[in-house]
Amino acid sequence: KAGVTQTPRYLIKTRGQQVTLSCSPISGHRSVSWYQQTPGQGLQFLFEYFSETQRNKGNFPGRFSGRQFSNSRSEMNVSTLELGDSALYLCASSSPGWGTGELFFGEGSRLTVL
Amino acid sequence: AQTVTQSQPEMSVQEAETVTLSCTYDTSESDYYLFWYKQPPSRQMILVIRQEAYKQQNATENRFSVNFQKAAKSFSLKISDSQLGDAAMYFCAYRSVLNSGAGSYQLTFGKGTKLSVIP
Repeated sequence: KAGVTQTPRYLIKTRGQQVTLSCSPISGHRSVSWYQQTPGQGLQFLFEYFSETQRNKGNFPGRFSGRQFSNSRSEMNVSTLELGDSALYLCASSSPGWGTGELFFGEGSRLTVL
Repeated sequence: AQTVTQSQPEMSVQEAETVTLSCTYDTSESDYYLFWYKQPPSRQMILVIRQEAYKQQNATENRFSVNFQKAAKSFSLKISDSQLGDAAMYFCAYRSVLNSGAGSYQLTFGKGTKLSVIP
């Protein structure tokens, strides 16, 4: 069974640009979550989607947005990039209802903003 | 809001020895889940062990075990017979069982403990 797949793995952008990251969950998983990981702030929750609906959103500005498609694949978008957006963005999926709460993580997308 | 604190940014252990990683959390909820995740240098996070708060028995998974002290809000991870492959960042995480509100459908992570294993 394929794991969580994130693309691209690495990308470099400049301030003011926008970026879209993609995540394909494990087959059969309908919940997809996004986390931002930085050395200073650690892992911070961005948002969670289930059946194309955002069920919760973390404390991030409106420049951070996401969506989920009918096949459970998800994208997140960051507009008007700032230097502080440089981070590892992790996507995770889980089975319906979250079960015992285990999240399965992808390898992440490393974003560098210059 | 829940918080998770890992007070040891870095730790080291000799191969084959035992090491304990500390984690404390703050919550007003009575039922919840706690987790330890491992993030090796390749970055993919994997679940090491989970604990349901309503269970008094400490969880164990092979060489990994936890000491869950609910009243003290403490959740430490013990790694026995440490191996080189155990070297990684370890994150303690909290999950609410609520299905609505600020804490729902998310994990709250500690800042992590970097574990080095010395051959």
